[in-house]
Amino acid sequence: QQPVQSPQAVILREGEDAVINCSSSKALYSVHWYRQKHGEAPVFLMILLKGGEQKGHEKISASFNEKKQQSSLYLTASQLSYSGTYFCGTGPSSNTGKLIFGQGTTLQVKP
Amino acid sequence: DTGVSQDPRHKITKRGQNVTFRCDPISEHNRLYWYRQTLGQGPEFLTYFQNEAQLEKSRLLSDRFSAERPKGSFSTLEIQRTEQGDSAMYLCASSSPVGPLGTGELFFGEGSRLTVL
Repeated sequence: QQPVQSPQAVILREGEDAVINCSSSKALYSVHWYRQKHGEAPVFLMILLKGGEQKGHEKISASFNEKKQQSSLYLTASQLSYSGTYFCGTGPSSNTGKLIFGQGTTLQVKP
Repeated sequence: DTGVSQDPRHKITKRGQNVTFRCDPISEHNRLYWYRQTLGQGPEFLTYFQNEAQLEKSRLLSDRFSAERPKGSFSTLEIQRTEQGDSAMYLCASSSPVGPLGTGELFFGEGSRLTVL
């Protein structure tokens, strides 16, 4: 089941904040976040695990609400380089490598 | 470490032809994934391997698609009797050995773009 991301698109000015949400209808073990720039491969940002462990980018934070099966990515003091499409990927258990990606959220940061 | 490499980067073929893509993962990674991505969509899971074993394959995948990872190193994805709907970017990714983190971060290749005429 594909996770649902919201919003679909965001336009910001440099320095503004944004939140991207990811919801799943199934119980989750892990949530990944990736950013993809046009014409490039997705790049890893963050992984959040059931139980609270996190690993990822210094300037980007995220939360994982296991009960609600939701995750949010927080982009603070946005920079032009933050522009791109953000995908969450959800993993249903620790015993499978299958990762299902959402449809993406396009972020555009303007000067 | 040269990252994940995919070949060819672009492939144009006629409907009904077979195509094969190759992926060379990061050498110490034991998991290898194939995804398909179309414009404006997220990567769609196709299959993944742990070492040489294919552990899961998407039910969306028809029998025309097959993937192998002999000896647990490089992998190939073959599409037989291609259709116009197969046109997409085919992404390969690899991940570090699975430990307490479960599914590790994915390192993606640049992808192989397929156009079926």
